[in-house]
Amino acid sequence: RKEVEQDPGPFNVPEGATVAFNCTYSNSASQSFFWYRQDCRKEPKLLMSVYSSGNEDGRFTAQLNRASQYISLLIRDSKLSDSATYLCAVYYGNNRLAFGKGNQVVVIP
Amino acid sequence: NAGVTQTPKFQVLKTGQSMTLQCAQDMNHEYMSWYRQDPGMGLRLIHYSVGAGITDQGEVPNGYNVSRSTTEDFPLRLLSAAPSQTSVYFCASSSGTVNEKLFFGSGTQLSVL
Repeated sequence: RKEVEQDPGPFNVPEGATVAFNCTYSNSASQSFFWYRQDCRKEPKLLMSVYSSGNEDGRFTAQLNRASQYISLLIRDSKLSDSATYLCAVYYGNNRLAFGKGNQVVVIP
Repeated sequence: NAGVTQTPKFQVLKTGQSMTLQCAQDMNHEYMSWYRQDPGMGLRLIHYSVGAGITDQGEVPNGYNVSRSTTEDFPLRLLSAAPSQTSVYFCASSSGTVNEKLFFGSGTQLSVL
């Protein structure tokens, strides 16, 4: 089983709609969790960290489910500019951050 | 403030050639790392460094060497390029450990023929 798994999609979302996707991780000892955004042919950039109690940043909500070993990202009121690939990252310790393959989101006008 | 600077942006090599991908950061970050990104594979860690003079292997280190003689620079050397090393390479740094925000360079598109 891969360390971090994501359904690559694409997730085609009408503008203004809500989209959510999950990322599962294999190591129950994982310590920290992140969502990165990557635009086409660009470098990844940190979108938000994921806290145990869940957290929001504007239209973005991240949640952690330790029992089922997954994190989620929800985007409300999708904008065309939200079209990107969203990478899940999990910190396992020993200075290793493992990334998923990413969820590709395409917001459709 | 330039952040993380990678050069070159594009490179074509022939099988067996060697080259060095350059990475420099001006944020005084202790942690630096190299990832490769392949279609359908996601980002995979090649090597990382937690400070000058300290390096360690990541998930896919074979065929690559690194050194960290200064805090600012973390070059990645391909010893004898192979077609399997065709990929997009990203350098990244963070102020503390990798548990904190990673800043990525803009990437190097490498093709090995």
